[in-house]
Amino acid sequence: DAGVIQSPRHEVTEMGQEVTLRCKPISGHDYLFWYRQTMMRGLELLIYFNNNVPIDDSGMPEDRFSAKMPNASFSTLKIQPSEPRDSAVYFCASSPQGGQPQHFGDGTRLSIL
Amino acid sequence: GENVEQHPSTLSVQEGDSAVIKCTYSDSASNYFPWYKQELGKGPQLIIDIRSNVGEKKDQRIAVTLNKTAKHFSLHITETQPEDSAVYFCASLSDYKLSFGAGTTVTVRA
Repeated sequence: DAGVIQSPRHEVTEMGQEVTLRCKPISGHDYLFWYRQTMMRGLELLIYFNNNVPIDDSGMPEDRFSAKMPNASFSTLKIQPSEPRDSAVYFCASSPQGGQPQHFGDGTRLSIL
Repeated sequence: GENVEQHPSTLSVQEGDSAVIKCTYSDSASNYFPWYKQELGKGPQLIIDIRSNVGEKKDQRIAVTLNKTAKHFSLHITETQPEDSAVYFCASLSDYKLSFGAGTTVTVRA
């Protein structure tokens, strides 16, 4: 079975550019989560969706960050404009009805120069 | 919000020995406690989980214990092997949101 698929795996861009990260959850999963992982702060939940609807975005650091889920098989996390402190590994996870267990993708390693 | 503390931050064991990682949580409403293993360049992979109505769960060489009164849970790996070397994270679920510990880097020496 295909797991959570994220793209791109690596992204290097210059400060000020728009960055779009993509996620395809496991088919049939109702929940989708976006996390950020850094050495300083560990794994942080940014936002999660239930049935394509954003439920809790309290972890989104600033208005520069936005996330969408236009359908059950696709979500994006966008940063505009990007800053060097946004450099991190971004993970997407999905889970079935009930919210657990969560299955993670292999992440996007983002570097903002 | 939920606060999860994890100890130790690093753990080195001889192959064949046991490894124990401990976590505490703060939200008494938390009811689900998964453990994840993360290898270099990969996402966290669920290895075992336990729900609040169970005190212990075992899966081959891995076991997890939960003490709800004390708000702590532990991961036990027996007969460690080199492929057990990774970063391990505990987590606590509250209101559909997972809060993670800071991670334990486990190194199994051959």
